[in-house]
Amino acid sequence: KQEVTQIPAALSVPEGENLVLNCSFTDSAIYNLQWFRQDPGKGLTSLLLIQSSQREQTSGRLNASLDKSSGRSTLYIAASQPGDSATYLCAVKETSGSRLTFGEGTQLTVNP
Amino acid sequence: NAGVTQTPKFQVLKTGQSMTLQCAQDMNHNSMYWYRQDPGMGLRLIYYSASEGTTDKGEVPNGYNVSRLNKREFSLRLESAAPSQTSVYFCASIIQGPDTQYFGPGTRLTVL
Repeated sequence: KQEVTQIPAALSVPEGENLVLNCSFTDSAIYNLQWFRQDPGKGLTSLLLIQSSQREQTSGRLNASLDKSSGRSTLYIAASQPGDSATYLCAVKETSGSRLTFGEGTQLTVNP
Repeated sequence: NAGVTQTPKFQVLKTGQSMTLQCAQDMNHNSMYWYRQDPGMGLRLIYYSASEGTTDKGEVPNGYNVSRLNKREFSLRLESAAPSQTSVYFCASIIQGPDTQYFGPGTRLTVL
């Protein structure tokens, strides 16, 4: 059974700092990996999706990498801002059409 | 283009009452999903529908039923609510190919 773990569970940083969020998964035979953002009391917003054949994806200040062989992904946030404060979740899909398995998320606070 | 919409946003039920959570998407997606999110448990899949007319159980289907009314709508029914069903419920739809999931804003359900 696929298990997804995110470390740390919570992170507090000063504004402007570059930071890395970690995601690990137990079964490396994945179809894709997706990073989401969740604001308090809101739904999930997709940030980046990395297909199994890709090594990384970038969107603005966000960069996600994928190392299937080691079962790891990282989300890099450059020059963090208070507006980046949210919970970040990663999820893996094992085959096309199968369900997503989610990690429990990292709660990020960026202090002004 | 409203994306994925859910009604109601909040609901309080007494044990044993029934209710239906509604979900609709206007993106012409084939696949739709129902998740519940609980503290310390992450998001868990309740039911999903790969296409109109089909439904399948997810990780935690007990106590729930679903209906894929048409391509747009996917409802979740609690026949006899229990306090253990207190949770936040999210509906999602997926675009095939990139398999990016789009989430609704959630329904916050409390069962007393």
